Amino acid sequence: KAGVTQTPRYLIKTRGQQVTLSCSPISGHRSVSWYQQTPGQGLQFLFEYFSETQRNKGNFPGRFSGRQFSNSRSEMNVSTLELGDSALYLCASRAPTNTEAFFGQGTRLTVV
Amino acid sequence: GDSVTQMEGPVTLSEEAFLTINCTYTATGYPSLFWYVQYPGEGLQLLLKATKADDKGSNKGFEATYRKETTSFHLEKGSVQVSDSAVYFCALTSNFGNEKLTFGTGTRLTIIP
Repeated sequence: KAGVTQTPRYLIKTRGQQVTLSCSPISGHRSVSWYQQTPGQGLQFLFEYFSETQRNKGNFPGRFSGRQFSNSRSEMNVSTLELGDSALYLCASRAPTNTEAFFGQGTRLTVV
Repeated sequence: GDSVTQMEGPVTLSEEAFLTINCTYTATGYPSLFWYVQYPGEGLQLLLKATKADDKGSNKGFEATYRKETTSFHLEKGSVQVSDSAVYFCALTSNFGNEKLTFGTGTRLTIIP
């Protein structure tokens, strides 16, 4: 069974640009969550989607947004990039009746 | 709100030493508790979990017991190996259906031969 797949693995963007990250969950998993990991703030929850609906949202500005498609694949978008958005962005998927989250390898975003 | 307090690192041990990484939590209701491990350049891997009081999670020689009375979930291993070098995160989810994971700050573990 394939794991959680995140693309791309690495990205370099310039301040002010926008970026879209993609996450394909494990087959059969309908819940997808996104996390930001930085050395200063650690792991912080961004949002969670279930069956194409945002079910929960963390404390991030509106520049951070996401969506989920009917096949459960998810994307997150960050607009007007700032230097502080440089981070490892992790996606996790979960089966409907399980508390266990499976993480992808992450997308390393560098804003210059 | 929910929070996880984790033992500060980094931790350096010799091979075959005993490991303890402390973790305490604050949460509403009856949280599920997890230990995740992150190897360099990788995402997070679930190491073990416990979903109710007095449960013991175990995997690859690691163990942790859900202690509701002390709100703790300490990670232990009797004999560490060089391959255990990684960053370890304690985490919780407070309600099934609200799947947000709250993480501790992580503990970097280095095992020297």
